[in-house]
Amino acid sequence: EAQVTQNPRYLITVTGKKLTVTCSQNMNHEYMSWYRQDPGLGLRQIYYSMNVEVTDKGDVPEGYKVSRKEKRNFPLILESPSPNQTSLYFCASSLSGTANTEAFFGQGTRLTVV
Amino acid sequence: GENVEQHPSTLSVQEGDSAVIKCTYSDSASNYFPWYKQELGKRPQLIIDIRSNVGEKKDQRIAVTLNKTAKHFSLHITETQPEDSAVYFCAASVNRLAFGKGNQVVVIP
Repeated sequence: EAQVTQNPRYLITVTGKKLTVTCSQNMNHEYMSWYRQDPGLGLRQIYYSMNVEVTDKGDVPEGYKVSRKEKRNFPLILESPSPNQTSLYFCASSLSGTANTEAFFGQGTRLTVV
Repeated sequence: GENVEQHPSTLSVQEGDSAVIKCTYSDSASNYFPWYKQELGKRPQLIIDIRSNVGEKKDQRIAVTLNKTAKHFSLHITETQPEDSAVYFCAASVNRLAFGKGNQVVVIP
């Protein structure tokens, strides 16, 4: 089944403890991206990648890191999480590297930083 | 970078009536304009999209129109049904996909 898979689905962590949220797609998509969703603020882009080894900042990159060493994986890293990073996170992928084709979303990761 | 704005933030309609959501974008180079529907507790899913070389596209009860001169595009839902109640996001793409803040649509039975 074609899909985007995020893990974990839910995570509660403490301030300052490094964490990684994984994202994997099995559709051979060029483009991958991370968004955070907060009430009233919509989907804000954190980072995106147009291809392997190519990553760029989105609208809210502060406090996050990403890597794209393989086409299928695009992990999101929080080196030192803070409470303001409590949010619902979505990974998405798209066939076209320029993001002008349908984006498929993962099931979301609900992160709470205390 | 691209800035996408949606209006209104909340829209209530009677079942059977039409709903229209309008979005504006800032980057004239944007060439792809999708609309996503997000039901409560679920991930966003594409419902319709339009490219910059097309002015209008229809798919059953939904349609999207694009005005490149004014840099705005709209989602039209006709004969609304309770299952149309959701948050709708517009987006624009020029090498990256930027989303608006979303519209809560409530269809009143």
